[in-house]
Amino acid sequence: DAGVTQSPTHLIKTRGQQVTLRCSPKSGHDTVSWYQQALGQGPQFIFQYYEEEERQRGNFPDRFSGHQFPNYSSELNVNALLLGDSALYLCASSGGLAGAGGQFFGPGTRLTVL
Amino acid sequence: QKEVEQNSGPLSVPEGAIASLNCTYSDRVSQSFFWYRQYSGKSPELIMSIYSNGDKEDGRFTAQLNKASQYVSLLIRDSQPSDSATYLCAFDTGGFKTIFGAGTRLFVKA
Repeated sequence: DAGVTQSPTHLIKTRGQQVTLRCSPKSGHDTVSWYQQALGQGPQFIFQYYEEEERQRGNFPDRFSGHQFPNYSSELNVNALLLGDSALYLCASSGGLAGAGGQFFGPGTRLTVL
Repeated sequence: QKEVEQNSGPLSVPEGAIASLNCTYSDRVSQSFFWYRQYSGKSPELIMSIYSNGDKEDGRFTAQLNKASQYVSLLIRDSQPSDSATYLCAFDTGGFKTIFGAGTRLFVKA
């Protein structure tokens, strides 16, 4: 049973560029959440997708957007990259209602903005 | 006030001892609480979930929840060096958002 997968593993971009990160949820899960984790901090909630809709959003600017596809996979897009966007981006999947039973995390994408 | 407070540590315990990790939260409507373990350079891994007051045991792990005091804890019995990691406390808000603490670093000395 494949767990949550994310691509790419690492990414280096320059300020002002745009980036797209991808996530495939664990088999049987239909809900995908995205998190940003800075070094030494806990994951910060960006948004959650369910039934191809953004169901809830954290305190992140509109430069952060996402999408969920009919097969439940998801993308996170970040426009106009800033140095402060450098972080580990985590995708987590869950089944049914948000958070019920906890979430399963992918390995993450390490984004470096130069 | 932060939504989730955890002692950043590091908490150092000898092998075989009980490690006690604590967390307080500010959202009174929260119903679901979680502990995640994160090894250095890896992603968080769910180890315990708890939804009602009292204790919940799973192997060497015991989670304790006190909603009146807005307090949740994790006890690790017979600590092993492989338990050395950062432990993240998290809770679900009344909506669809999960809030994480900054984590407590645990070192188990062999």
